[in-house]
Amino acid sequence: GAVVSQHPSWVICKSGTSVKIECRSLDFQATTMFWYRQFPKQSLMLMATSNEGSKATYEQGVEKDKFLINHASLTLSTLTVTSAHPEDSSFYICSARVPGTSRRETQYFGPGTRLLVL
Amino acid sequence: AQKITQTQPGMFVQEKEAVTLDCTYDTSDQSYGLFWYKQPSSGEMIFLIYQGSYDEQNATEGRYSLNFQKARKSANLVISASQLGDSAMYFCAMREGLQTGNQFYFGTGTSLTVIP
Repeated sequence: GAVVSQHPSWVICKSGTSVKIECRSLDFQATTMFWYRQFPKQSLMLMATSNEGSKATYEQGVEKDKFLINHASLTLSTLTVTSAHPEDSSFYICSARVPGTSRRETQYFGPGTRLLVL
Repeated sequence: AQKITQTQPGMFVQEKEAVTLDCTYDTSDQSYGLFWYKQPSSGEMIFLIYQGSYDEQNATEGRYSLNFQKARKSANLVISASQLGDSAMYFCAMREGLQTGNQFYFGTGTSLTVIP
């Protein structure tokens, strides 16, 4: 199947710093990528939908100035957590839409990034 | 209202036995897709099985099968011959409509523990 990578897999940072997480589709072009956040023992919550070449669409309650999303190419979307605080500590997962006519596994997930803000 | 409901926060099953993980969904769309994902402790989301709303037969993928009851709006996952490696979180998800770019709605998950 299609491969999606995320970098870094782990990040620990001090409160107030900004953290950039990359999501790459390795063997296909992804016009749409999704960013999710997952707290321990909870479900995945969609944060935003990222479309190549246009502004991301944020879900209600997600601060767009806090979580900056850039989808500058068909294989890369980045999520920047600006001025991170301890409450931003979470597991961030991206997924990429696989283009085509198949209705089956139409999104492939990255391995996730664990963020710990001290 | 919740789009996806998983009522079993935790389940235990004996190795080699079968287990059913429950999932109900809520949508007014006629076209939708239902998915099951496995999330081990490493965090990666592993696709298991897909059922389309128009599919008349229950989906099967190896040891995984989906018990699709459209009138009841349920899409239970059945894992046969459980293995120790099946211990993980399992998420049911739904995509409304046929557009592949539509978002997924996830349930709260079921933690499955396989006992040797």
